[in-house]
Amino acid sequence: GQNIDQPTEMTATEGAIVQINCTYQTSGFNGLFWYQQHAGEAPTFLSYNVLDGLEEKGRFSSFLSRSKGYSYLLLKELQMKDSASYLCAVIGSWGKLQFGAGTQVVVTP
Amino acid sequence: GAVVSQHPSWVICKSGTSVKIECRSLDFQATTMFWYRQFPKQSLMLMATSNEGSKATYEQGVEKDKFLINHASLTLSTLTVTSAHPEDSSFYICSASTTSGAPSEQFFGPGTRLTVL
Repeated sequence: GQNIDQPTEMTATEGAIVQINCTYQTSGFNGLFWYQQHAGEAPTFLSYNVLDGLEEKGRFSSFLSRSKGYSYLLLKELQMKDSASYLCAVIGSWGKLQFGAGTQVVVTP
Repeated sequence: GAVVSQHPSWVICKSGTSVKIECRSLDFQATTMFWYRQFPKQSLMLMATSNEGSKATYEQGVEKDKFLINHASLTLSTLTVTSAHPEDSSFYICSASTTSGAPSEQFFGPGTRLTVL
């Protein structure tokens, strides 16, 4: 079957680093996305990985290992505004995105 | 660039009525549009995929006669929830991509919150 797993919730303090793990088992793999979603809003794009390795973009980095079916999103220098749900999504056959349930990150002062 | 709009942003309706939600790509031509539904504290679930000028492809468990999708042009797709019931209350989000059948970034609309009384 198809499955995308990520932790339900993580809490960290302002200025810290948090790593959100995502494991997946899907039919077809054409890349993995990370999105940020604030409550009541649509997801916003953070990163896209299709090859193994680390992609860095400012305070956010994303890593992919296709052989392990594993990715992580690293958030550095956490800010209060980073409190949101972070969605791992795999793009499979025919461009369909399959989402994980999301990880709620709570940033505390 | 790559802006997707949805209208309305929220709607409240009575049980048994139909509601139409529009999804527009404002500055690009969207070959493919996707419709998702998201219940509180859950992730986005793909409902259907539509390509301009052809019938939508629905995911398993989604009633095509209840959720009518029309992708009339390269910039507009509509989702009509027919005979809405309280259990249809949800956050409906569309996305658009510029390619068909190939992996590419999807650009999300701001979502429509539907409440059925």
